[in-house]
Amino acid sequence: DAGVIQSPRHEVTEMGQEVTLRCKPISGHNSLFWYRQTMMRGLELLIYFNNNVPIDDSGMPEDRFSAKMPNASFSTLKIQPSEPRDSAVYFCASSRSADTQYFGPGTRLTVL
Amino acid sequence: DQQVKQNSPSLSVQEGRISILNCDYTNSMFDYFLWYKKYPAEGPTFLISISSIKDKNEDGRFTVFLNKSAKHLSLHIVPSQPGDSAVYFCAASPGGGADGLTFGKGTHLIIQP
Repeated sequence: DAGVIQSPRHEVTEMGQEVTLRCKPISGHNSLFWYRQTMMRGLELLIYFNNNVPIDDSGMPEDRFSAKMPNASFSTLKIQPSEPRDSAVYFCASSRSADTQYFGPGTRLTVL
Repeated sequence: DQQVKQNSPSLSVQEGRISILNCDYTNSMFDYFLWYKKYPAEGPTFLISISSIKDKNEDGRFTVFLNKSAKHLSLHIVPSQPGDSAVYFCAASPGGGADGLTFGKGTHLIIQP
């Protein structure tokens, strides 16, 4: 199995630009999670989906952040407009029902 | 407020000895606990988990102990090997693993030859 796939691996953008991060979960997994890692706050949950439906988005920091899961094999996390404080590593993870969550390699986002 | 705490930012252990990483939690609703290992520029990798109905789970060199009354868990690695050098994250969930995870800030384990 290819594992969780994230793209791009690195993204450098300027403040005010729109950023879209992409995730392909492991085939057969029905839960998908987006996390963010920063030095100050560590790893924190942003949002998660079960069967493509958003269940808990209480971790999404602001309205500038949005996430979608149009089908079982693809999800996006969008930041519009981006700000320097959004600079972080963004991880996607997937799991089968209540099983272990498997993480992707992450996207390192730098907003100048 | 930090619901999952790893109070040791780093730990240095000699190769072949036991490594003990500690984690405390405050939320009584947590019923599923996991340890992840992370190398630089990679995503966290699952190591071992434990449900609140157990107090110990073992997998090869890794053992996790859970003390519910103290809201404390620990990860034991015996014997420690150079490849164990990494950042270890403790995580917890209230939904038996179906919900999002709450992570500690991590402990950087350094195995010295």
